[in-house]
Amino acid sequence: GQQLNQSPQSMFIQEGEDVSMNCTSSSIFNTWLWYKQEPGEGPVLLIALYKAGELTSNGRLTAQFGITRKDSFLNISASIPSDVGIYFCSKIIQGAQKLVFGQGTRLTINP
Amino acid sequence: DTAVSQTPKYLVTQMGNDKSIKCEQNLGHDTMYWYKQDSKKFLKIMFSYNNKELIINETVPNRFSPKSPDKAHLNLHINSLELGDSAVYFCASSQVYVSGTPNYGYTFGSGTRLTVV
Repeated sequence: GQQLNQSPQSMFIQEGEDVSMNCTSSSIFNTWLWYKQEPGEGPVLLIALYKAGELTSNGRLTAQFGITRKDSFLNISASIPSDVGIYFCSKIIQGAQKLVFGQGTRLTINP
Repeated sequence: DTAVSQTPKYLVTQMGNDKSIKCEQNLGHDTMYWYKQDSKKFLKIMFSYNNKELIINETVPNRFSPKSPDKAHLNLHINSLELGDSAVYFCASSQVYVSGTPNYGYTFGSGTRLTVV
């Protein structure tokens, strides 16, 4: 019930292309967070979503919290080399005060 | 100013040794965590402490012993290291509000890469 499934697991794109990745959960949840991890660093919060249907942007990044409260997507427009990294979806387990992560989507960009 | 700092960044040691990883946060958060990232990049919580009190222990072997001398520090001591302990260990912190839910996500350190040989 706490598992998050991310897809795709990896993406190889050309610079300038748009990217879309998504995450699904078997259970509903109230808070959805998207993180990015660059090589040799810890995950960094990109976007936080708190309401079903919420659509939030952060520069070229856009994320939406699905209306069923069981899924979310993250889009990156006009990708650039510094977008390379692993993108994680995550959710907060209510009451347990812990953050659970999906398996990650590894993004590689060809110049 | 580093928000969550871990030391050391890299740690190579032999099987059977005992080692410690230190973590400090200067964000004023009241909750700190240890996560383990395996070779497939999967991130899994190990422990969490709220105001120096253990909140979460995710069935981690008792060779792993966290210690929180104050709410700004959470150290991880590992006894009798095994090959399977090789991973990247991340410290993180968050602020838990009255509702009991961290509203703005966690802040992670840059990780400690542990290699057991």
